[in-house]
Amino acid sequence: GENVEQHPSTLSVQEGDSAVIKCTYSDSASNYFPWYKQELGKGPQLIIDIRSNVGEKKDQRIAVTLNKTAKHFSLHITETQPEDSAVYFCAASHPDSGSARQLTFGSGTQLTVLP
Amino acid sequence: ETGVTQTPRHLVMGMTNKKSLKCEQHLGHNAMYWYKQSAKKPLELMFVYSLEERVENNSVPSRFSPECPNSSHLFLHLHTLQPEDSALYLCASSPHIKTGELFFGEGSRLTVL
Repeated sequence: GENVEQHPSTLSVQEGDSAVIKCTYSDSASNYFPWYKQELGKGPQLIIDIRSNVGEKKDQRIAVTLNKTAKHFSLHITETQPEDSAVYFCAASHPDSGSARQLTFGSGTQLTVLP
Repeated sequence: ETGVTQTPRHLVMGMTNKKSLKCEQHLGHNAMYWYKQSAKKPLELMFVYSLEERVENNSVPSRFSPECPNSSHLFLHLHTLQPEDSALYLCASSPHIKTGELFFGEGSRLTVL
């Protein structure tokens, strides 16, 4: 089955700096890669996703890149703000449908943005 | 109310107790899910329902018993749990079983003594 590795497990950055979280996956057939943000005391919330037919996707300060050959994808947050502090989860889904029941999650990254 | 609502938010129970977790979604979605979230571990999918029919049961012990009476409500019945079952239990929904975008509730924090 699919295995998703996520690094780092914790990340601290100064406000205004960029943050990068990386994930690798094992199943080359995976084709849907969402990122979730979980704030303290809340459930995870989808912030951005990418499908395997594109290499990069941006939404304001957030971007995701995908390297299918290397089987890794990354979350980039620019101009970080204190409200970006949260746990971020990557996930990979297989096969073509991108069904939620096929999602395999990474173990999470605790991002802390220091004022 | 909107979104996915879970009750109770916190639950403490003994190993011989019977309790239930409740989830309600107001999004008109057709698929609902139970996930287990333990510290420093990936989210673990437990059960999946599509239009009230269970379509997935990921080798979950029988001390966890799901129930989906309609497409808006999902329960997780708990009995004779173990301390290692202590975790955050998250309910989620999606528009249909084929959609990867999940909408999560805030979770029920369970402590088994």
